[in-house]
Amino acid sequence: EAGVAQSPRYKIIEKRQSVAFWCNPISGHATLYWYQQILGQGPKLLIQFQNNGVVDDSQLPKDRFSAERLKGVDSTLKIQPAKLEDSAVYLCASSLDRGPSRGEKLFFGSGTQLSVL
Amino acid sequence: AQTVTQSQPEMSVQEAETVTLSCTYDTSENNYYLFWYKQPPSRQMILVIRQEAYKQQNATENRFSVNFQKAAKSFSLKISDSQLGDTAMYFCAFMSYAGNTPLVFGKGTRLSVIA
Repeated sequence: EAGVAQSPRYKIIEKRQSVAFWCNPISGHATLYWYQQILGQGPKLLIQFQNNGVVDDSQLPKDRFSAERLKGVDSTLKIQPAKLEDSAVYLCASSLDRGPSRGEKLFFGSGTQLSVL
Repeated sequence: AQTVTQSQPEMSVQEAETVTLSCTYDTSENNYYLFWYKQPPSRQMILVIRQEAYKQQNATENRFSVNFQKAAKSFSLKISDSQLGDTAMYFCAFMSYAGNTPLVFGKGTRLSVIA
């Protein structure tokens, strides 16, 4: 079974530039998550999709971050303009469903490490 | 809001020995799920073990087991017969039983297994 695919693996940009990350979840997984992991901390949820719809984006800095999930499959996360404090690993995860089977396993990709100079 | 605390930033253990990683959490809910995730240098988070709060029996997965103390809101991970491949960051995480709530992570414990 193919896992969660993310690209690019590394990205270095200057502040005020824009950047985009891509995620392809496991086939058939309805729910997709983007997490931000700052060095020395645990991952923090940025946005959660179920199929095409946004379930939770309460911690997404909407003035600079945006995300979309095309046709309920792939997703992109964009930062425009980037700030120094956006330097982090951006992890994508997917799960089968968030319905009656709560507490189910999340499958994570290997993340994109962003450095903002 | 739920919080997860891991008080050990770093730990080390000799190969083949046993090590316990600590985790406490704060919630007002009665039903929830707790997890331990492993993050090796590859950065991919891997589920190690899962515990349902309504189950009194501690979860076990091969060399990994938990000590779940619901009243104390404590959820420690025991790794037996430690192997070099266990070297990684370990994150404790909480998920509410309520639908559509995110996984909340602690800050992690860096475990080094020494040959």
